[in-house]
Amino acid sequence: GENVEQHPSTLSVQEGDSAVIKCTYSDSASNYFPWYKQELGKRPQLIIDIRSNVGEKKDQRIAVTLNKTAKHFSLHITETQPEDSAVYFCAALQGGSEKLVFGKGTKLTVNP
Amino acid sequence: GAVVSQHPSWVICKSGTSVKIECRSLDFQATTMFWYRQFPKQSLMLMATSNEGSKATYEQGVEKDKFLINHASLTLSTLTVTSAHPEDSSFYICSASGRASGGETQYFGPGTRLLVL
Repeated sequence: GENVEQHPSTLSVQEGDSAVIKCTYSDSASNYFPWYKQELGKRPQLIIDIRSNVGEKKDQRIAVTLNKTAKHFSLHITETQPEDSAVYFCAALQGGSEKLVFGKGTKLTVNP
Repeated sequence: GAVVSQHPSWVICKSGTSVKIECRSLDFQATTMFWYRQFPKQSLMLMATSNEGSKATYEQGVEKDKFLINHASLTLSTLTVTSAHPEDSSFYICSASGRASGGETQYFGPGTRLLVL
């Protein structure tokens, strides 16, 4: 089955800096990779996703890149703000399945 | 669009009682609903996948007689924790996906915090 590794587990940056979170996956049949943001006690919210026919996708300050050959994908947040502080989860859709396999999460702290 | 609600948001119950949690897709038809469990500071653990009108598929290690799932319509799935015990205390979150929501994209409910005394 699919296995998703996520790094780092914690990340602290200064406001205005960029933040990068990286994930690797094992199932070469995976073709959909969403990123979720979860604030304390709240639901995970989809912030961006990418499908395997695309190498990069951007939405304002957030971008995701995908390298299918290396089986890794990354989340990039530019010009970070304190409200970006949360736990971020990457996920990969298991090939031939409806199931998402999640990484262990990255706690991002943006210091004012 | 793609709003998922969950009820109740929190529940406290005595050991041995059963608790039912509802998950609803409000503005789209959810062909598939998922139930997750999340422990503090940990990731989402998939418990089961349910498709409307069919039996749920449980993940390995999840007792189907303990966690009863019903997906009676395209907008409602329920999770019943039977004979709850303190170790069942957790944050339970549902998610839903459907053609209108983007196919494989899952949208999450707000979660239900269960505390079993």
